[in-house]
Amino acid sequence: GDSVTQMEGPVTLSEEAFLTINCTYTATGYPSLFWYVQYPGEGLQLLLKATKADDKGSNKGFEATYRKETTSFHLEKGSVQVSDSAVYFCALSEHAGGTSYGKLTFGQGTILTVHP
Amino acid sequence: DAGVTQSPTHLIKTRGQQVTLRCSPKSGHDTVSWYQQALGQGPQFIFQYYEEEERQRGNFPDRFSGHQFPNYSSELNVNALLLGDSALYLCASSLFVGDEQFFGPGTRLTVL
Repeated sequence: GDSVTQMEGPVTLSEEAFLTINCTYTATGYPSLFWYVQYPGEGLQLLLKATKADDKGSNKGFEATYRKETTSFHLEKGSVQVSDSAVYFCALSEHAGGTSYGKLTFGQGTILTVHP
Repeated sequence: DAGVTQSPTHLIKTRGQQVTLRCSPKSGHDTVSWYQQALGQGPQFIFQYYEEEERQRGNFPDRFSGHQFPNYSSELNVNALLLGDSALYLCASSLFVGDEQFFGPGTRLTVL
């Protein structure tokens, strides 16, 4: 079945440091890929997405590129802020015949803490 | 415009009891999905409702059941609660199946 594997956490960085959170996936078809963020006490929010190979999703300074050859979707940000402290989840959604099933398969999450 | 709302916020039950969690989707959304998020884990898909019918189901036992009402709101029912059912239960809604899912804040269920 489908699965998503994220790098082991937690990740602790100083403000303005470069961030990478690794994500690899296993899927039988051609999934859409997502990064969700969960701030303390809040629900999951979609951060960015990519729907086909070589697509780059970007939002709020975060980027991730859909790499079919390495089945990866690593999250990067050039300069993190204290306000980026949250839990980040990589996820996928399978497709069939051009239609998404809608079911999301999540990784285990990576806790990011950014210090001033 | 209210986003996805869930009730209650927190719930404490004992083993063997039954529980009902409620979700109101974002305005205009007709598809509702439920996820279970154990502590320190990513959410796991329970099932999805569209047009008042269960359309997809994850690997959860029949103790987990749901319902969608004509106004698109939804309920998640869990029977014969086990300690392992303690988790954050998330509801997500979308405009249609496969569209971006918007998540509610969740219901924290504790089973003692």
